[in-house]
Amino acid sequence: GEDVEQSLFLSVREGDSSVINCTYTDSSSTYLYWYKQEPGAGLQLLTYIFSNMDMKQDQRLTVLLNKKDKHLSLRIADTQTGDSAIYFCAEYREAAGNKLTFGGGTRVLVKP
Amino acid sequence: EPEVTQTPSHQVTQMGQEVILRCVPISNHLYFYWYRQILGQKVEFLVSFYNNEISEKSEIFDDQFSVERPDGSNFTLKIRSTKLEDSAMYFCASEIGNTEAFFGQGTRLTVV
Repeated sequence: GEDVEQSLFLSVREGDSSVINCTYTDSSSTYLYWYKQEPGAGLQLLTYIFSNMDMKQDQRLTVLLNKKDKHLSLRIADTQTGDSAIYFCAEYREAAGNKLTFGGGTRVLVKP
Repeated sequence: EPEVTQTPSHQVTQMGQEVILRCVPISNHLYFYWYRQILGQKVEFLVSFYNNEISEKSEIFDDQFSVERPDGSNFTLKIRSTKLEDSAMYFCASEIGNTEAFFGQGTRLTVV
């Protein structure tokens, strides 16, 4: 089956690190993604990781993948108020056709 | 920076009416998608389109839905006879084929 789960809400102080977690069930996922959705806006691709990688760093963003536990995380260093948004993880499985399966989204609130 | 554009941003329609949601994908992209997000729920895959035909569709994408790429630039989603439960944010996405899908800003459809 295909199921991607995320916690609903995360509150963090400006300047601290945020860690958003995601679990997925299908071990055949080939790519895992993080999208950001600001209020009233579309889905912005932040970063993605190929399933044979453990970690990917892109400026303030660090993605960690634990394939054994089917756990994906996104760490945002030095979180800013502009990082307040909903963050979606998504998996892509070639065997399932060209589509993404999304988690429910984690709402991140950055407090000054 | 190239982007996926969707029109209109908000559409209100009466139950039973036909609606057409429009998308202009990024010009050199080859794969096209529609997703939807009912308020408070996950982003769900509807359909993927490649080489002028549907490559995959979900259970949601029943006979009331159709997609078309009429002129090589636009990609449309038609709902023939809208129902209240079709109210959602509809996202168009496109990718060149390297699994980096870029999403539009979405069209909020409200069926009354």
